[in-house]
Parts: sequence; C-alpha cells; structure tokens
Amino acid sequence: LAKTTQPISMDSYEGQEVNITCSHNNIATNDYITWYQQFPSQGPRFIIQGYKTKVTNEVASLFIPADRKSSTLSLPRVSLSDTAVYYCLVGVAYSGAGSYQLTFGKGTKLSVIP
Amino acid sequence: DVKVTQSSRYLVKRTGEKVFLECVQDMDHENMFWYRQDPGLGLRLIYFSYDVKMKEKGDIPEGYSVSREKKERFSLILESASTNQTSMYLCATRGQGWFYEQYFGPGTRLTVT
Repeated sequence: LAKTTQPISMDSYEGQEVNITCSHNNIATNDYITWYQQFPSQGPRFIIQGYKTKVTNEVASLFIPADRKSSTLSLPRVSLSDTAVYYCLVGVAYSGAGSYQLTFGKGTKLSVIP
Repeated sequence: DVKVTQSSRYLVKRTGEKVFLECVQDMDHENMFWYRQDPGLGLRLIYFSYDVKMKEKGDIPEGYSVSREKKERFSLILESASTNQTSMYLCATRGQGWFYEQYFGPGTRLTVT
C-alpha cells in the first residue's frame, strides 16, 4: 500500500480557499486517490476520489498532477463547519473478496477561524 | 439512506472483562471493517470481513477477535479487556466492485478501567 504524507494541521480564515496537499511517491498504477473528512465524534465520510487530472464535486476539487506522486484537495470558501480532519488515502478502487485497500494515516486537522 | 449503527456510543468496562462491540449495516455490503482511532495515531485497521464467516487480520489484530455470522452484523470481541484498549472504535462497510466508498458508523468510545 502506498504511504501518504500530509501536513498535521492547517489554519484558515472563513471565506478563504484551502488547499491540502498529500504526497504519495510510491503510488501504483492501479491506485486511486481518495479523501475523507472526519468531524469530531463522528466517523469519517467520503469526500472525493480521482485517478488523474482534476475532479470536482459539490464539496471539493481534487487536483492530481501527471506523475500522480501528490494530490491536492481544494475546499472553496471554507466556513467554520469545515473544521475537521481530512484524510488522504491511496489504493485500488476495486473492492473484492479478501481484499482491502484503504489505509488511513493521521490526517490533516483543518481549523477554520472566524 | 445509508445506515451503519454501533451498539453503544460510550462504554466503560473493567480490566479483564470480555467486551462485545456490535455493528449493523442495512446496505447489503459484503465488506465490513473494525478500526480503532487514537490521538496522534489516526485510524488503524483491526480486522475486516469480506463475507459471512470470513475474516482477515488488519494491522493491529492482537488482543481482538471478530465474528460475522450474518451479512449485516460484524462483532468485535475483546476477550480480556486491558487499559491499552481504551480507544474510539469505528465500524465501516464497503460494497464489492469498483469505486465503492466506505461508510462509517458513529463510533464507540470504550474506556477500560
């Protein structure tokens, strides 16, 4: 499983765009990049997943350069409710019998300041 | 709507007790997982199951066992609880196939005294 490295914590003011970068130097060809968000006292929840270039949904954007050795989660105009821990995971997208692919690291604690 | 429920939000047990943590899902997912989460260590996988009666060890299985007798239910068992098993325990499920995300339960905060 590819190891991921991301900042331990980040601070941002409300209304700003936040970019959290994750490095995954030994990503494999079949690996996808997935981000989860965890609020205090809750389980993590899926935000976004991608393989290359850019993916956007109603919550965030995910930028993946051509070499795929890193990825950046972009949260537009954050609010106080975006204060959470964000996890970057790398693994195959297929979940079959006997397989598991998701290893959660320590995540990035984002604090949004009024 | 997706639902993963765990038997308790908070649990206090004594050292040496046998502890059962239950997880139930209503999504007909084949894969179920048990994690523990500790400050500074993130989420670590204890055990997972990809089918009824099937189980695989995760990264930290020592001191734990699991049971999956029905597809919707996955139990984590602490045979003899110890203080170093005080933690937040999270259950998750995932479908089989491509691009299925993991769905997590609300967690059980277990304190062993």
